[in-house]
Amino acid sequence: GAVVSQHPSWVICKSGTSVKIECRSLDFQATTMFWYRQFPKQSLMLMATSNEGSKATYEQGVEKDKFLINHASLTLSTLTVTSAHPEDSSFYICSAMGLAGAYEQYFGPGTRLTVT
Amino acid sequence: DAKTTQPTSMDCAEGRAANLPCNHSTISGNEYVYWYRQIHSQGPQYIIHGLKNNETNEMASLIITEDRKSSTLILPHATLRDTAVYYCIVRLGTGTASKLTFGTGTRLQVTL
Repeated sequence: GAVVSQHPSWVICKSGTSVKIECRSLDFQATTMFWYRQFPKQSLMLMATSNEGSKATYEQGVEKDKFLINHASLTLSTLTVTSAHPEDSSFYICSAMGLAGAYEQYFGPGTRLTVT
Repeated sequence: DAKTTQPTSMDCAEGRAANLPCNHSTISGNEYVYWYRQIHSQGPQYIIHGLKNNETNEMASLIITEDRKSSTLILPHATLRDTAVYYCIVRLGTGTASKLTFGTGTRLQVTL
């Protein structure tokens, strides 16, 4: 149980275009989802927290107009990188937290974004 | 959330126990100790968590000192597949606002 999927697993896009990444909790309802970014050889950095049906809360320094997060249902959250630039190239990882157990967070496999 | 300190890297021979230490001297009474690991180019994987008592599951054991200022993750019989970065994280255990803050972790290399 507690499986989180991400789609796509990797994507290459041209500078200036937008990319949408999906995060799904497959076997549980996720009241809260988190989005992280990880640059090579660095740790995960939390970008934002989203609760189903409400606006996302962004960490300091993360541009909310550039990284659009939608959490429209209890099993799906999306991250859209708008007007992507090469510096946005990174490994994007989502995690989902449900009501079962002690509010564990389960992570998706990640999406590698390359902006050319 | 309390900060944690972990060694940058460790080596362990396959079949031996891997003991990964973590210092969290500023932990507060209602904060849990969580361990995750990340195998290269994958999302982090939950391992174990605890509050004050030692915990064991099918993956590992967690030993928390009596003053809760440090803990040790034990992989009893390390295999090559345990090679990963291990993150020790302290956070509030409940509530939807309890986010995970990742430090730099310990890079465990299991060798033959």
